[in-house]
Amino acid sequence: GQQLNQSPQSMFIQEGEDVSMNCTSSSIFNTWLWYKQDPGEGPVLLIALYKAGELTSNGRLTAQFGITRKDSFLNISASIPSDVGIYFCAGQPLGGSARQLTFGSGTQLTVLP
Amino acid sequence: NAGVTQTPKFQVLKTGQSMTLQCAQDMNHEYMSWYRQDPGMGLRLIHYSVGAGITDQGEVPNGYNVSRSTTEDFPLRLLSAAPSQTSVYFCASRGSNQPQHFGDGTRLSIL
Repeated sequence: GQQLNQSPQSMFIQEGEDVSMNCTSSSIFNTWLWYKQDPGEGPVLLIALYKAGELTSNGRLTAQFGITRKDSFLNISASIPSDVGIYFCAGQPLGGSARQLTFGSGTQLTVLP
Repeated sequence: NAGVTQTPKFQVLKTGQSMTLQCAQDMNHEYMSWYRQDPGMGLRLIHYSVGAGITDQGEVPNGYNVSRSTTEDFPLRLLSAAPSQTSVYFCASRGSNQPQHFGDGTRLSIL
């Protein structure tokens, strides 16, 4: 089956610093999604990417769909305390049903004041 | 617009008990899914549905049943709970060619 490697598993950063995390896949995806999960809540969609090479921003967040279709990156600029949480990537092949949406294991982000 | 609503939020069961986790969405979404989330393993798909009357197995279906009698509801049933089913369960829904939206989860403990 499809494998998604998400790294790093955890990060501790100072408030104001920039953050980068990424996901790589063993197979080609046609959709990449990035979610954030706060404690006690469900994942919330941050950014959706649908085209290889696409670069999309949502406020201080920027995500890119890798040109090989096998990777994606999420960057957070000027981190703030409310950025704390778990960030998940998810990938889906073309025409994929819900069955084929694969999730990374998550990046736990801690922002230190 | 409530989105995806899951009930209950918390539940403790004894081994062998049965229960149903409820999920409802008010967005007229075709696709609905159930995931479980365990530490260090991300989200794993249990069962999913592409429309009323249609369900299929995901990655970890054993021990769980689902049904989709209406577009809005997608309950998940544990027929005989086991400690290995202690987890956080998330329901999600999406429309065609749209990303998934998740409920807030049900935290289930099996003693």
